[in-house]
Amino acid sequence: GQNIDQPTEMTATEGAIVQINCTYQTSGFNGLFWYQQHAGEAPTFLSYNVLDGLEEKGRFSSFLSRSKGYSYLLLKELQMKDSASYLCAVKDSNYQLIWGAGTKLIIKP
Amino acid sequence: DADVTQTPRNRITKTGKRIMLECSQTKGHDRMYWYRQDPGLGLRLIYYSFDVKDINKGEISDGYSVSRQAQAKFSLSLESAIPNQTALYFCATRAGTGESDTQYFGPGTRLTVL
Repeated sequence: GQNIDQPTEMTATEGAIVQINCTYQTSGFNGLFWYQQHAGEAPTFLSYNVLDGLEEKGRFSSFLSRSKGYSYLLLKELQMKDSASYLCAVKDSNYQLIWGAGTKLIIKP
Repeated sequence: DADVTQTPRNRITKTGKRIMLECSQTKGHDRMYWYRQDPGLGLRLIYYSFDVKDINKGEISDGYSVSRQAQAKFSLSLESAIPNQTALYFCATRAGTGESDTQYFGPGTRLTVL
């Protein structure tokens, strides 16, 4: 079967750095996405990785290791508005997105 | 104006009732999707469509049907609603494959079946 694992919940302090991990076992791999979802709202796109390495976008970075089936999302200089769920999704061999359950990130002052 | 809209935003209904959720988009995308989201679970694909004449079942299509009336419209129906269909439903669109294949989500419909 196909499986994506993320921690259910994480807590971090405003101004700090947090790393959210995602491991996956899927039938094929054609890219990995990270989305942000505030409570009760729609997911919004954050990043896309298809090759190994680090992609940086301002305060957010995403890393991929295809050989390890592993990705992480790194959030720097945390702000209260970063409190949200972060969803990892993998595009499989059929180009369908398989979604993780999401990691709820709580930011404390 | 929002690129992907869903109606209604909230709906409470009773077991056995027929319900239709509607999705419209102004992004000009060919690909449209319906997902449901339950607490503690990832987004699960119900149906998807690559153009007006194309309908495909997703992971959890039982109990649901869809209609792609036009490129911009994709409706989801629950023929006879049951309580375990209580969930948050999202419509999404996608331009194509590759870098441009980010999915854009509507605001969601919160459905409660009593």
